[in-house]
Amino acid sequence: EAQVTQNPRYLITVTGKKLTVTCSQNMNHEYMSWYRQDPGLGLRQIYYSMNVEVTDKGDVPEGYKVSRKEKRNFPLILESPSPNQTSLYFCASSSTGAGEQYFGPGTRLTVT
Amino acid sequence: ILNVEQSPQSLHVQEGDSTNFTCSFPSSNFYALHWYRWETAKSPEALFVMTLNGDEKKKGRISATLNTKEGYSYLYIKGSQPEDSATYLCAAFSGSARQLTFGSGTQLTVLP
Repeated sequence: EAQVTQNPRYLITVTGKKLTVTCSQNMNHEYMSWYRQDPGLGLRQIYYSMNVEVTDKGDVPEGYKVSRKEKRNFPLILESPSPNQTSLYFCASSSTGAGEQYFGPGTRLTVT
Repeated sequence: ILNVEQSPQSLHVQEGDSTNFTCSFPSSNFYALHWYRWETAKSPEALFVMTLNGDEKKKGRISATLNTKEGYSYLYIKGSQPEDSATYLCAAFSGSARQLTFGSGTQLTVLP
């Protein structure tokens, strides 16, 4: 089954404790991206990747890192999480950046 | 950052009513316009991806049109049903920025 998986689905953590949210797709898609969703603000792009080893900042990259060492995986790293990073995070992939996005199930992160 | 705007922010209609929403986006450097349906506790799912001025797409009772010269798209739902209740997101892909920027969505509630 074609899908995008994210882990964990729910995470409660404390300020400053490094964490990684994993994202994996099995559709051989070139383009992957991370979004955060906050009430009233819609989906905002954090980082995107056009291909392996090619990443670029989205609209809200501060406080986040990503890597794309393999085509299927695109982890999101929060080196020192802060409460303002409490949000719902979605990973997505597509064959091209302009093409239909396939979203993962979402990760709800709470930073206290 | 592209400015993608959706209206209205929320909408309540009676079962059987037809309805439509608007998405406006910058017409310069436009490449593609997406519509997604997002049900509560689920992930966004693609409805349409359109690229050409005058494009019209249809899926069952839902259809969409695109005007790239004036920078807007309409989503129509004919004969709304309670299961159509969801948030409808539009997103524009800029060829220059290579980013997909989402609007804040229109939340539709269909009352039985």
